[in-house]
Amino acid sequence: DTAVSQTPKYLVTQMGNDKSIKCEQNLGHDTMYWYKQDSKKFLKIMFSYNNKELIINETVPNRFSPKSPDKAHLNLHINSLELGDSAVYFCASSQLGQGSTGELFFGEGSRLTVL
Amino acid sequence: LAKTTQPISMDSYEGQEVNITCSHNNIATNDYITWYQQFPSQGPRFIIQGYKTKVTNEVASLFIPADRKSSTLSLPRVSLSDTAVYYCLVGDVDSSYKLIFGSGTRLLVRP
Repeated sequence: DTAVSQTPKYLVTQMGNDKSIKCEQNLGHDTMYWYKQDSKKFLKIMFSYNNKELIINETVPNRFSPKSPDKAHLNLHINSLELGDSAVYFCASSQLGQGSTGELFFGEGSRLTVL
Repeated sequence: LAKTTQPISMDSYEGQEVNITCSHNNIATNDYITWYQQFPSQGPRFIIQGYKTKVTNEVASLFIPADRKSSTLSLPRVSLSDTAVYYCLVGDVDSSYKLIFGSGTRLLVRP
């Protein structure tokens, strides 16, 4: 029943490793996003996909690679993890276009800790 | 995208009405004002959105003066479960995802 679900919820790993976070939405939305929330609680857009096409990449290091196999899924793969990558990553979706409020539906977050 | 300013924190007691004001002096003609609520260990949740005057739903009211340079989120009769961070965001609806959720206002509701 969860509208936007992401896995895993917690991820602890060593520097230099590669990890992935998966996201799925069952709302039928065309657009999905990844956000990063840092230790100061600022939540900032990283990527946006519309119908499987990348439309926003907000100056994120190319160690981060999103992949959208279909419009209901948007996964985030991170290579060569660094300490500064430790944060909570949120997946979200929305339906844009006329008549829409642009409301963002967020998942519960994936807390990544890099040691 | 208009910048917003809101108090860092507020305290209240159960049963009181809480008003959180947000300043957005550079709001553009196409911009809407949207508020989100975030509980610990959860993603933000849409509360309310408005363009002008007053909007009310089952959760809150949003008051927007004629000049639209500020807005006030009003939470009637808060309970302990309303303890959360509240974010004010301003932008056109098709660009809402670009908005940075700032530090927000941390509301603490005491018994």
